[in-house]
Amino acid sequence: DTGVSQDPRHKITKRGQNVTFRCDPISEHNRLYWYRQTLGQGPEFLTYFQNEAQLEKSRLLSDRFSAERPKGSFSTLEIQRTEQGDSAMYLCASQGRVDEKLFFGSGTQLSVL
Amino acid sequence: DAKTTQPNSMESNEEEPVHLPCNHSTISGTDYIHWYRQLPSQGPEYVIHGLTSNVNNRMASLAIAEDRKSSTLILHRATLRDAAVYYCILRGYSNSGYALNFGKGTSLLVTP
Repeated sequence: DTGVSQDPRHKITKRGQNVTFRCDPISEHNRLYWYRQTLGQGPEFLTYFQNEAQLEKSRLLSDRFSAERPKGSFSTLEIQRTEQGDSAMYLCASQGRVDEKLFFGSGTQLSVL
Repeated sequence: DAKTTQPNSMESNEEEPVHLPCNHSTISGTDYIHWYRQLPSQGPEYVIHGLTSNVNNRMASLAIAEDRKSSTLILHRATLRDAAVYYCILRGYSNSGYALNFGKGTSLLVTP
């Protein structure tokens, strides 16, 4: 069990650029979640996958955001035409089939200049 | 989702017990009470969860009021490494599976 891995740890980009983050869940975990966290706030739910199916998207996930989980393994979160308001920590979590616990990665810190 | 109310911050001395309160007066019968904590520069970490009965594990204890409208996370002997933001979250069944809706949590300061 190597834990949930997120890449990159930090990303600095200019406004208007596209960025993509990757999450590798714990192997055999079928549920995967993306959260966003801004300074001083708790994590906010963005989207949820069960295997490869994206079952829910938060209203926070604007049209500029897209997430995929091909083959039900790793997941990517892409933000197109980034805005300064997108600056945040993006957290990924995975969960096993019969487990109540969510296991979080260390996140990707995005700074949009 | 039912909401929880926690103090913004608490302070404890090292090696003393810490009682972190959480109010959830609108909890429904099927809502589980979860606690997570987040250390600086890390993702949240599971601490404990329960439904009706008190729960113990190696990290902490969870005391749930009889009417389930409040709960208390108990750290039996605080260490400096327990300094973190502690989140009390209600998890009910929804289309988002087991998605947890975090609030602002309680920032715990542990002093030597």
